[in-house]
Amino acid sequence: QKEVEQDPGPLSVPEGAIVSLNCTYSNSAFQYFMWYRQYSRKGPELLMYTYSSGNKEDGRFTAQVDKSSKYISLFIRDSQPSDSATYLCAMSWSLMDSSYKLIFGSGTRLLVRP
Amino acid sequence: GAVVSQHPSRVICKSGTSVKIECRSLDFQATTMFWYRQFPKQSLMLMATSNEGSKATYEQGVEKDKFLINHASLTLSTLTVTSAHPEDSSFYICSAREKWGGEQYFGPGTRLTVT
Repeated sequence: QKEVEQDPGPLSVPEGAIVSLNCTYSNSAFQYFMWYRQYSRKGPELLMYTYSSGNKEDGRFTAQVDKSSKYISLFIRDSQPSDSATYLCAMSWSLMDSSYKLIFGSGTRLLVRP
Repeated sequence: GAVVSQHPSRVICKSGTSVKIECRSLDFQATTMFWYRQFPKQSLMLMATSNEGSKATYEQGVEKDKFLINHASLTLSTLTVTSAHPEDSSFYICSAREKWGGEQYFGPGTRLTVT
């Protein structure tokens, strides 16, 4: 079993839809959670960073963390064709330099149809 | 967010030669830098982690003599692929974080093609 599970998709939605992207994890020690967006042939771009259970909102993006269920989500409201990309969840159990390491999900490909 | 640059963005080299890729944090001091490799339609594979002034820590299966990493300053890390072979062709991405920082920022990546 992988430490972080993420449905690879592809997920195809019409423009304007609400998109829900999810990851589950097995290690309860994970404390810090991130979502990245990666366009083809580009480096990942940090979208959201959170370290507590609950919701965090930034514009059209909402990150949700449920540590009791070991489940994190990224919601995209009013999705646009420009949101078409691969979305990667990532998490770490520590911020200490000696033990910090990001564990990534495999990424979900999202396609927003005009 | 913080900016990480990478140079070159694309490089083609002949088999047997060495290639150096630079990674810079432009607006923050990166105490830790990371080098990843990514194959088409796959997730990121961590190659090594380097802390400024220390030797890099390589992931299992990554040849340290082939992939030389130097983190000489708080804003610069380099990856040198030595004696490159066609199987080294890939997308290499660097990443950086501040000390105790939660966020990790990525560079735009370097596409290496070995002919």
